[in-house]
Amino acid sequence: DIQMTQSPSSLSASIGDRVTITCQTSQDITNYLNWYQHKPGKAPKLLIYDASSLERGVPSRFSGSGSGTDFTFTISSLQPEDIATYYCQQHDDYPITFGQGTRLEIK
Amino acid sequence: EVRLIESGGGLVKPGGSLRLSCAASGFSFSAHDMNWVRQAPGKGLEWVSSISSSSRHIYYADSVKGRFTVSRDNAKGSLFLQLNSLRAEDTAVYFCVRHYGGGLGTFDYWGQGSLVTVSS
Repeated sequence: DIQMTQSPSSLSASIGDRVTITCQTSQDITNYLNWYQHKPGKAPKLLIYDASSLERGVPSRFSGSGSGTDFTFTISSLQPEDIATYYCQQHDDYPITFGQGTRLEIK
Repeated sequence: EVRLIESGGGLVKPGGSLRLSCAASGFSFSAHDMNWVRQAPGKGLEWVSSISSSSRHIYYADSVKGRFTVSRDNAKGSLFLQLNSLRAEDTAVYFCVRHYGGGLGTFDYWGQGSLVTVSS
């Protein structure tokens, strides 16, 4: 199985801050890495697919980069509505696996 | 508008069974692979199962293999998950999820989820 190491597990930041989350995989997955936002009681939402492609309708302050085993997710300017848990997910091989999640809070 | 609506969750005793359903609308259901993803209370997301558009290819997480069975009815736009030999650790919200694009699982639409509680 492909192991996912996502960090940090929690993060406190101020409105307007630049926020970065990292995800490392246990083997090369080329660019088969997605990022999701999940708010309590809601359905998870796809933000970034294939490492760096912005899903339609998602604000441009969200971005992703990386390839191989190391990936980064960035919010360029944190907004109040961005409070959520964020997950990375690999879809290079079965079983499909998610990172442990990063809980983002407002400082 | 794409809609995925799960049903069939509830309280069941350990060792019991349950069948989840997902009614899909707003897109060509028969053209998309579909998935189930779950989230246990206080835990992260866990992929459970994938089924290809034609049902030819089916995959399961090791944690449910041999106990859960995924199926679909393309004529009715429905996805199913049969849960047998349920354990306390299967307690979770189960999401019906559409696969989009290349790779094995880019999940672009999710249902609101159906809660399964396994308890005596």
